[in-house]
Amino acid sequence: DGGITQSPKYLFRKEGQNVTLSCEQNLNHDAMYWYRQDPGQGLRLIYYSQIVNDFQKGDIAEGYSVSREKKESFPLTVTSAQKNPTAFYLCASSMADSYEQYFGPGTRLTVT
Amino acid sequence: AQSVTQPDIHITVSEGASLELRCNYSYGATPYLFWYVQSPGQGLQLLLKYFSGDTLVQGIKGFEAEFKRSQSSFNLRKPSVHWSDAAEYFCAVGTGGFKTIFGAGTRLFVKA
Repeated sequence: DGGITQSPKYLFRKEGQNVTLSCEQNLNHDAMYWYRQDPGQGLRLIYYSQIVNDFQKGDIAEGYSVSREKKESFPLTVTSAQKNPTAFYLCASSMADSYEQYFGPGTRLTVT
Repeated sequence: AQSVTQPDIHITVSEGASLELRCNYSYGATPYLFWYVQSPGQGLQLLLKYFSGDTLVQGIKGFEAEFKRSQSSFNLRKPSVHWSDAAEYFCAVGTGGFKTIFGAGTRLFVKA
């Protein structure tokens, strides 16, 4: 079955540590996205990538980094510079030139 | 500025009753409009979308939405709610550069 996988589902880290969230898709989609979701705030765009080896900052990129070395993969690193990293993180993908996005199941990150 | 407003943070309806979730957007050009549904701790699933043409669009799970350009609205409706419809619903607008702006969400509670 085609889809998007995110791992792990739950992640716990100590403050000051970098952590990488995985996102893999087998939909052959060109574009991939990372969103952060906090209660009552909807989804906020962190980074997006429309082609391999290229990505753009979204609305809240500070404290985050990404890479897009393969079409199927778009990992997100939450760095120690992110002031409030505890949140639910969603990865999505879409076909080229399409607004219709397909979402993964999400990763809940807790930093203490 | 581009924005999406969902005026109701949460709504409670009785099972079998009709449902309408409100969505207003602010966008200068012809909008690409979406409704997504999210069950607790899960990713988002596309319910329906409007790009052009008939302003009344049908989606999955018996949902429909109507685009009203004069009111900048794209309200979601369902004639008879089932307990399994309890979830959070997000309205979204596709903007330039294939980015999407999401509303803050409306949580639907269904009472027996």
